[in-house]
Amino acid sequence: DAEITQSPRHKITETGRQVTLACHQTWNHNNMFWYRQDLGHGLRLIHYSYGVHDTNKGEVSDGYSVSRSNTEDLPLTLESAASSQTSVYFCASSLAHPDTGELFFGEGSRLTVL
Amino acid sequence: QQPVQSPQAVILREGEDAVINCSSSKALYSVHWYRQKHGEAPVFLMILLKGGEQKGHEKISASFNEKKQQSSLYLTASQLSYSGTYFCGTRTGNQFYFGTGTSLTVIP
Repeated sequence: DAEITQSPRHKITETGRQVTLACHQTWNHNNMFWYRQDLGHGLRLIHYSYGVHDTNKGEVSDGYSVSRSNTEDLPLTLESAASSQTSVYFCASSLAHPDTGELFFGEGSRLTVL
Repeated sequence: QQPVQSPQAVILREGEDAVINCSSSKALYSVHWYRQKHGEAPVFLMILLKGGEQKGHEKISASFNEKKQQSSLYLTASQLSYSGTYFCGTRTGNQFYFGTGTSLTVIP
């Protein structure tokens, strides 16, 4: 079955280290998104991509970067991890534009920055 | 840019009804609704498009008033399985935002 997977599912790192969270989908969806989830804030958009080589900043993009070199993958990189980036990160993808198509979510990656 | 949801939390007894509201300060082209169980990923419930369309999913339905930039999710005769956090999602420009969520707890 086609799916969307995130790795690692859990990670503990230290302040200042670079961290990359992987997101891989096998549906051949053009649209991919990264959100972080924190208590009281719901899901906040970090970065998104509407196709290969297309990347865009969301509302909380500071300290994060993404690249889209193929359809299947959108890795999220924290250049220098900070304690404020401790969160649960969700990757999502959609075939159609969000106006008409649902988002499918990965299982999430829990990141702790000490 | 996030849509605003209300209430933030609600506790129901089995069989009771609930309404969750989602409003935006920006023009809405569509509204999504998702449910997230504790420790799991959000799961899509339904999407509403412009035109005041009302859609249903089992005993869960929703309405969309584009003029008021609002959507409401209606849960009828709630079941224990309805417990979770509900999110609305809306597009502003090219970005897709989720609301802050409504925690729904159904008790026996």
